[in-house]
Amino acid sequence: EDKVVQSPLSLVVHEGDTVTLNCSYEVTNFRSLLWYKQEKKAPTFLFMLTSSGIEKKSGRLSSILDKKELSSILNITATQTGDSAIYLCAPTSGTYKYIFGTGTRLKVLA
Amino acid sequence: KAGVTQTPRYLIKTRGQQVTLSCSPISGHRSVSWYQQTPGQGLQFLFEYFSETQRNKGNFPGRFSGRQFSNSRSEMNVSTLELGDSALYLCASSTSAANTEAFFGQGTRLTVV
Repeated sequence: EDKVVQSPLSLVVHEGDTVTLNCSYEVTNFRSLLWYKQEKKAPTFLFMLTSSGIEKKSGRLSSILDKKELSSILNITATQTGDSAIYLCAPTSGTYKYIFGTGTRLKVLA
Repeated sequence: KAGVTQTPRYLIKTRGQQVTLSCSPISGHRSVSWYQQTPGQGLQFLFEYFSETQRNKGNFPGRFSGRQFSNSRSEMNVSTLELGDSALYLCASSTSAANTEAFFGQGTRLTVV
């Protein structure tokens, strides 16, 4: 059965800190891995990763996929209070569904 | 470009009733997926539709059903509601869902009393 584990489950940091969020997966017929940020209701898309070792960056956020280790990390540098959210990873398979982890709840204190 | 629209936003129903939720995808998107989100379980996949065909279904009882119309709008129905069905129901649209990013609607918060 497909499995996604995110760690840590929750994290409290201060503004300016750097955080690393982890996502491990076991998915049949893996195709890609997506990261989402969920603040209130609708998860918003951050990154889609398909190739191992190629970092994707967007401002202070970056992410990389390791297909050998079946994992991905999401880094946030110089955190701000607006980064407080639940971060979700979702590997995809050839079965037309996204398999979400339970997420990492990040709280950034001013 | 309009985003994914879900209606209604909030719903309160009584045990035993049935409910229908609606999702209008982004224009041009033909894939619609549905997810149930609860605090302890995260986002659980319900089903996915593409061009009016259900391509995949999650591990939910038969009380949960869905359909997609020719304009790609989708509905999901839950019959004989149980207290445990209280959750945020999210739909996501994408061009094909096989290997592309999905965009989520704001969700429908269902409370069963």
